[in-house]
Amino acid sequence: DAKTTQPTSMDCAEGRAANLPCNHSTISGNEYVYWYRQIHSQGPQYIIHGLKNNETNEMASLIITEDRKSSTLILPHATLRDTAVYYCIVRFTHEVANFGNEKLTFGTGTRLTIIP
Amino acid sequence: DVKVTQSSRYLVKRTGEKVFLECVQDMDHENMFWYRQDPGLGLRLIYFSYDVKMKEKGDIPEGYSVSREKKERFSLILESASTNQTSMYLCASKSLAGQETQYFGPGTRLLVL
Repeated sequence: DAKTTQPTSMDCAEGRAANLPCNHSTISGNEYVYWYRQIHSQGPQYIIHGLKNNETNEMASLIITEDRKSSTLILPHATLRDTAVYYCIVRFTHEVANFGNEKLTFGTGTRLTIIP
Repeated sequence: DVKVTQSSRYLVKRTGEKVFLECVQDMDHENMFWYRQDPGLGLRLIYFSYDVKMKEKGDIPEGYSVSREKKERFSLILESASTNQTSMYLCASKSLAGQETQYFGPGTRLLVL
């Protein structure tokens, strides 16, 4: 899986949009970008994923650059409950289960703190 | 909503004890995983299973075994717990479809004394 780099930590004021960047310059054409987050002492939670088009769901938006070498996760109106470590990963997925590709590998992520 | 539950949130065991960690998912997922998470080391895959009674070793299977007798349940067994197995243990499940995400349980924080 392609390596990703993220800032170690970020702060964001409550109610503002939180923009979390991720660089994945070695991403290959069939690798997806996934975002998870982990609130303290809980299991990781899936947020969103995408291939090349921008994606939006009830939790967040994902903006992927045209060259796919970087992406930004946007939490439109951050709340205190969004304080967590956010992980950006890129991985190949395909229809037939291949467990060499199924495992998730999280880096150190970005520790996002929402300030009241 | 997918629900993955783990039998305990916190567990304290003594060195040499046999430890069972249970994981149950309610979405009829074929694939289930056990990870451990340690500061500075990230998430590491211990074992995974793609069907009942089927299992495959992950990256760090030593000292662990697993059991999948029913589709919804995947158990992690520490045959003889050691202090270096103190960790956060995370179970996940996933549909067989390629793009589906993994859904994680709340984790079990195990302390081996």
